[in-house]
Amino acid sequence: AQKVTQAQTEISVVEKEDVTLDCVYETRDTTYYLFWYKQPPSGELVFLIRRNSFDEQNEISGRYSWNFQKSTSSFNFTITASQVVDSAVYFCALSEDTPLVFGKGTRLSVIA
Amino acid sequence: EAGVAQSPRYKIIEKRQSVAFWCNPISGHATLYWYQQILGQGPKLLIQFQNNGVVDDSQLPKDRFSAERLKGVDSTLKIQPAKLEDSAVYLCASSRGQGFYGYTFGSGTRLTVV
Repeated sequence: AQKVTQAQTEISVVEKEDVTLDCVYETRDTTYYLFWYKQPPSGELVFLIRRNSFDEQNEISGRYSWNFQKSTSSFNFTITASQVVDSAVYFCALSEDTPLVFGKGTRLSVIA
Repeated sequence: EAGVAQSPRYKIIEKRQSVAFWCNPISGHATLYWYQQILGQGPKLLIQFQNNGVVDDSQLPKDRFSAERLKGVDSTLKIQPAKLEDSAVYLCASSRGQGFYGYTFGSGTRLTVV
């Protein structure tokens, strides 16, 4: 069965600090897809990244970077030089070519 | 490209009343999902449609929840009668397909049952 664990419930950092959000997943399939979504206070889920199980290359997009390690079943998300606008709840999700299964989310608060 | 539209944005009802939510997906997206997000938790799938057919409704409490997507475009989710534990945000999402395709989510309907 699919499962996503985000062990960090809440994280608080001071602006300009780097922060890493952890995501550990469980799946029996060899083909699967991992996602990160951002949920700002407005409530809408905003797509950040998708990664398939055959592509373990790390990805960088501006201040955001993702580290995918199949050996540890982890797909961690790092924000460099955090900003107040990064404050939101971040969700990791998994799909085995099935509907997305979400973790419980990590609430990030960036303090000015 | 227009996003996923949902209405109403907020709804407050008394327990045992009925309520309906509406969703209009992105044009051309054959797959539509309804998720329930209880405060402090991640979204949980209620039902998945492919065009106007149900693909997965295994987690839909069918004694009180119903959903339809009659013409394969917009969809309605209904709760009758509502319970206090139905208080949540109901999110609609659409996609070209599963897996490889990311979902686009609407802003959600925040339901409070009192």
